[in-house]
Amino acid sequence: GQSLEQPSEVTAVEGAIVQINCTYQTSGFYGLSWYQQHDGGAPTFLSYNALDGLEETGRFSSFLSRSDSYGYLLLQELQMKDSASYFCAVRDSGAGSYQLTFGKGTKLSVIP
Amino acid sequence: EPEVTQTPSHQVTQMGQEVILRCVPISNHLYFYWYRQILGQKVEFLVSFYNNEISEKSEIFDDQFSVERPDGSNFTLKIRSTKLEDSAMYFCASSEASGRSYEQYFGPGTRLTVT
Repeated sequence: GQSLEQPSEVTAVEGAIVQINCTYQTSGFYGLSWYQQHDGGAPTFLSYNALDGLEETGRFSSFLSRSDSYGYLLLQELQMKDSASYFCAVRDSGAGSYQLTFGKGTKLSVIP
Repeated sequence: EPEVTQTPSHQVTQMGQEVILRCVPISNHLYFYWYRQILGQKVEFLVSFYNNEISEKSEIFDDQFSVERPDGSNFTLKIRSTKLEDSAMYFCASSEASGRSYEQYFGPGTRLTVT
């Protein structure tokens, strides 16, 4: 079956750096995405890794190691508005569909 | 900036009734999806749609569910006979056909409450 594991909650201080890990076991793998979801809101795309290595987009970076079935999202210079849930999601299907299998999400609380 | 829109924002229905949830994907996108999220839980894939047909569906998407693209802009999810456990937030999403096809844009969701 498909499974993605990520911590349920993380708390960090404003201005600090936080890393949210994700390990996955899926029948197929074409890439790992990260989505942000504020309470009551829709998931918003943050990043995507199809190959090993680090992808940087502003304050957010995402890393993937395919051999370890592991990735992480790194948030730098944390701001209060970064308080949200963060989901890793695997694209586990090939041509014809880009369906995502989501993890259970990590609730990030940024404190002053 | 283009966005996915969904109507209604909240739908209350009685068990056994049919509901239709509506979505307008981003105009130049060709892949469409429905996901659902039960309160406090993860987002779950229901179905993907491309070239006017279902490309993949999950175990959740049983015979009670159907999707349709009735015209060039709308994408609908129909639940024929709702059950209490269908209560959830339903998200529509769309993505490009190539290039950044991995980036899915989600609508604001329809909160379905079955009583």
